[in-house]
Amino acid sequence: KNEVEQSPQNLTAQEGEFITINCSYSVGISALHWLQQHPGGGIVSLFMLSSGKKKHGRLIATINIQEKHSSLHITASHPRDSAVYICAVATGNQFYFGTGTSLTVIP
Amino acid sequence: KAGVTQTPRYLIKTRGQQVTLSCSPISGHRSVSWYQQTPGQGLQFLFEYFSETQRNKGNFPGRFSGRQFSNSRSEMNVSTLELGDSALYLCASRGSGGVAEAFFGQGTRLTVV
Repeated sequence: KNEVEQSPQNLTAQEGEFITINCSYSVGISALHWLQQHPGGGIVSLFMLSSGKKKHGRLIATINIQEKHSSLHITASHPRDSAVYICAVATGNQFYFGTGTSLTVIP
Repeated sequence: KAGVTQTPRYLIKTRGQQVTLSCSPISGHRSVSWYQQTPGQGLQFLFEYFSETQRNKGNFPGRFSGRQFSNSRSEMNVSTLELGDSALYLCASRGSGGVAEAFFGQGTRLTVV
């Protein structure tokens, strides 16, 4: 059983659509990160959350500690948002990662 | 505040060679952990160092090793490289605050030919 589950695995959207990616975890965590990885590129940390909600531009991340669930929302999606989005939870001395959601935004 | 720095960013090695990757954490962070991402696989935990001591190790063969220096910089070494070692190697730096704030490097992309 994976400690972190993400859904959907793949997502295709039209430019301008509102997008939601979900992350559920089964371990106790100290923080949750949303990461972005462009094809062939490195990994960029978008958000770190331990409670509540954070917003950065068109990106919004929320976390519900009681339900062990987090969501990443992208408003007014754009082709440059096409990437893999990875949920990572910090627990103990290491991170556990979801398998990622591959997002393609079509112009 | 400088971010987590991984060097080199890209590397090509031949099967059978060995390789050393470097990770410089955020200033003041004493924990560095390493992860491997292979095509089609998620990120998998390699090991974690804190104050020059390995605290935790993932399920990887002994060809994968690491160390941490007194300035918290960490290196990982892979000996006798195999084609399957081609991957993105990512390090994360964590502080000792209650929220365990962490920062990620951009990764080193290793290609074994």
